Amino acid sequence: NAGVMQNPRHLVRRRGQEARLRCSPMKGHSHVYWYRQLPEEGLKFMVYLQKENIIDESGMPKERFSAEFPKEGPSILRIQQVVRGDSAAYFCASSPSPVAGRDTQYFGPGTRLTVL
Amino acid sequence: GENVEQHPSTLSVQEGDSAVIKCTYSDSASNYFPWYKQELGKRPQLIIDIRSNVGEKKDQRIAVTLNKTAKHFSLHITETQPEDSAVYFCAARGGSYIPTFGRGTSLIVHP
Repeated sequence: NAGVMQNPRHLVRRRGQEARLRCSPMKGHSHVYWYRQLPEEGLKFMVYLQKENIIDESGMPKERFSAEFPKEGPSILRIQQVVRGDSAAYFCASSPSPVAGRDTQYFGPGTRLTVL
Repeated sequence: GENVEQHPSTLSVQEGDSAVIKCTYSDSASNYFPWYKQELGKRPQLIIDIRSNVGEKKDQRIAVTLNKTAKHFSLHITETQPEDSAVYFCAARGGSYIPTFGRGTSLIVHP
């Protein structure tokens, strides 16, 4: 049973370019969560999605950032016109359900974004 | 919203000693408390979790305790080994389905 997959593992972009980060949840999981982690800091929630729906995007900046989880294919976190402050590790996690007992989140290996 | 405080930020122990990491939370509605271990450059991995209807849970050398009245929970690692060296994160989750994470504790186990 493959775990949560993320790609690319490392992404380098110049200021002003776009970054696309992909996350494939564990088999049987339909809930995806994106987090950002800065060096020596904890995980900051960005957005929670279910297939074709954004459930909670309260942690995601209103500008330049967007996320989707289409019916087919991986979840995508998209950052437009990247700035140096976007440099961080971006992790996604998945769970089968938000309901207690089936809500444990399992993390992917992360995408380390560097903005030059 | 929920606020999670985690202490200490760094913990250095000798191999074989015990290590204790403490977290407090602010939202009395929080009912799920997972702990994650993150090695350098790797993904956070769930090591143990506890729900609010339980006061303590053990898994081999790892245990977690929860005091709902005081709104704090702790991770206990006994007989520490060098491979326990990592950053440990606590989290608290309530009705919003979104866990709030602590800032992490860097555990260093000296051989």
